[in-house]
Amino acid sequence: DVQLVESGGRLVQPGGSLRLSCLASGFNFRDFGMNWVRQAPGKGLEWVAHISGNTGSIYYADSVKGRFTISRDNAKNSLYLQMKSLSGADTAVYYCSPLVRDYWGHGTLVNVSS
Amino acid sequence: QAGLTQPPSLSKDLRQTATLTCTGNSNNVGNQGATWLQQHQGHPPKVLSERNNNRPSGVSERFSASRSGNTASLTISGLQPEDEADYYCLAWDSDLTAWLFGGGTKLTVL
Repeated sequence: DVQLVESGGRLVQPGGSLRLSCLASGFNFRDFGMNWVRQAPGKGLEWVAHISGNTGSIYYADSVKGRFTISRDNAKNSLYLQMKSLSGADTAVYYCSPLVRDYWGHGTLVNVSS
Repeated sequence: QAGLTQPPSLSKDLRQTATLTCTGNSNNVGNQGATWLQQHQGHPPKVLSERNNNRPSGVSERFSASRSGNTASLTISGLQPEDEADYYCLAWDSDLTAWLFGGGTKLTVL
């Protein structure tokens, strides 16, 4: 069975940094571009960042460009999101997904608050 | 980044048919097609229809997707109480090199 397990979310102060992880299993991870998608409380889905299977292509939403860094380790079937200069607008559940398949984790909650 | 446009809400009676729309442009929906996702409160999204309008295994035949020009549509026939959820469209934008979500449509089954 396909599994995506996000972790690393927690309460963090404004201006702080955080690193999220996503551990994948049950599919050929290296064959898929992967994405981070977030959902603020009571709001819709927002795409955050994309990284291709071979890490050759990386794209970011304007709202996180320059503050967030997406990366992956195909040997560990893992996806990462390094976040810095966090603000309340970044408070959300963060999901990892390839988006071209119905593979979703349960997300990890990032709460930016003082 | 500009998103995809969806009506924020739609209400339909039980056993009726609902049609949800998603409008983009020639760089996203018109070129790449759209994926449709369903999300119940407190749960991750679930794909109902992929960009080629195919249903993933296990998705009810009551859900069907289509596209005309820059507008994608999701039709849900024989509405059931469990269809009450938020529905999102998703498309890759080749000009922006970004995935775009619609704002979502909250479907209420009366």
